[in-house]
Amino acid sequence: GNSVTQMEGPVTLSEEAFLTINCTYTATGYPSLFWYVQYPGEGLQLLLKATKADDKGSNKGFEATYRKETTSFHLEKGSVQVSDSAVYFCALTMDSNYQLIWGAGTKLIIKP
Amino acid sequence: DARVTQTPRHKVTEMGQEVTMRCQPILGHNTVFWYRQTMMQGLELLAYFRNRAPLDDSGMPKDRFSAEMPDATLATLKIQPSEPRDSAVYFCASGPGRLNTGELFFGEGSRLTVL
Repeated sequence: GNSVTQMEGPVTLSEEAFLTINCTYTATGYPSLFWYVQYPGEGLQLLLKATKADDKGSNKGFEATYRKETTSFHLEKGSVQVSDSAVYFCALTMDSNYQLIWGAGTKLIIKP
Repeated sequence: DARVTQTPRHKVTEMGQEVTMRCQPILGHNTVFWYRQTMMQGLELLAYFRNRAPLDDSGMPKDRFSAEMPDATLATLKIQPSEPRDSAVYFCASGPGRLNTGELFFGEGSRLTVL
């Protein structure tokens, strides 16, 4: 079946460090891929998405490229801030009903 | 600013009591999801509606949980009777139903504690 695997957290970095959170997927067909972010005490919100191979999603300094050959959608940011501390979820959808298949989430902690 | 509204934000109740959580999806969205989030299990899909019709509630314990959409502006999730293992944050999310957009808009959640 379809699934999403994320690197386990927490990931702890210093401010201005480079961030990578790994996400790989298993899917029969061509999914759309997403990163959602959950700040403390809030619901999830869409951070970025990519709907076909080689697409790059970007938002708020974050980027992720849809890599079909490696079935990956790794999240990157060049210089993180304390305000980026949150839980990040990778997800995919396969069909028009867009039920999302979620990764387990990766907690990111940025220290000043 | 359109947003998904959930009530109550916090609920503390005793085991055996009925709990009802409510959600007002964004106007014009035709898909509504209920999720449960816990530290141990992460994010679990409980139920999913499209145009008010339930499409998937396989993730919901049928003996005690029920989900309905009495109209397009209200979704409810009811637990009767509640148990301590139901303690979690329950999220409602709605979506516009466009093909493969996958963008869901989440409410702030209802934090349930069952003693």
